[in-house]
Amino acid sequence: DGGITQSPKYLFRKEGQNVTLSCEQNLNHDAMYWYRQDPGQGLRLIYYSQIVNDFQKGDIAEGYSVSREKKESFPLTVTSAQKNPTAFYLCASIDHPLGTSYTEAFFGQGTRLTVV
Amino acid sequence: GQNIDQPTEMTATEGAIVQINCTYQTSGFNGLFWYQQHAGEAPTFLSYNVLDGLEEKGRFSSFLSRSKGYSYLLLKELQMKDSASYLCAVKGKNNAGNMLTFGGGTRLMVKP
Repeated sequence: DGGITQSPKYLFRKEGQNVTLSCEQNLNHDAMYWYRQDPGQGLRLIYYSQIVNDFQKGDIAEGYSVSREKKESFPLTVTSAQKNPTAFYLCASIDHPLGTSYTEAFFGQGTRLTVV
Repeated sequence: GQNIDQPTEMTATEGAIVQINCTYQTSGFNGLFWYQQHAGEAPTFLSYNVLDGLEEKGRFSSFLSRSKGYSYLLLKELQMKDSASYLCAVKGKNNAGNMLTFGGGTRLMVKP
């Protein structure tokens, strides 16, 4: 079955450590996104990528880094420079078939990151 | 830039109809999404509008007016399981290309 998979589901980080969140999709989608969600809030865009080897900063990119070496994979690293990293992180991918106006976005199940 | 506004909370009664509004200002417009999100879970796709008008899908309908920068999600025959947050998201454009931006979400409470 096609889908988008995030791992791990729960992650604990010590202060000063870098951690990497995984996002893999087998939907053959070009565009992938990372969002952060704080309790009771909406989704804020961290980084997004339209094609392999290219990515752009979103609204809250400071303290985060990404790579897009393969179409299927878009890992997010939360660095020690991110001062308040405890949050729910969501990865999404979007399909936009050529010649149609149809678009659908799919989300992974999310990673809940806690700083201890 | 992108700016998306939704009411923060709404309350409705089981069996009733509720309309959740979303207004947006974007540079470029490539479509509007509605998502449902239950607490602690990932959002699930409800609808997509790119042309003006109403899209109906079972108990849920979504309307778009591009000239007014306005959309609404209509939920009919409300059920207790419809208690969730409803997220409006717009696919717009910046200098780098397309980007998908979310509003803050509307928390809907359905009461018996």
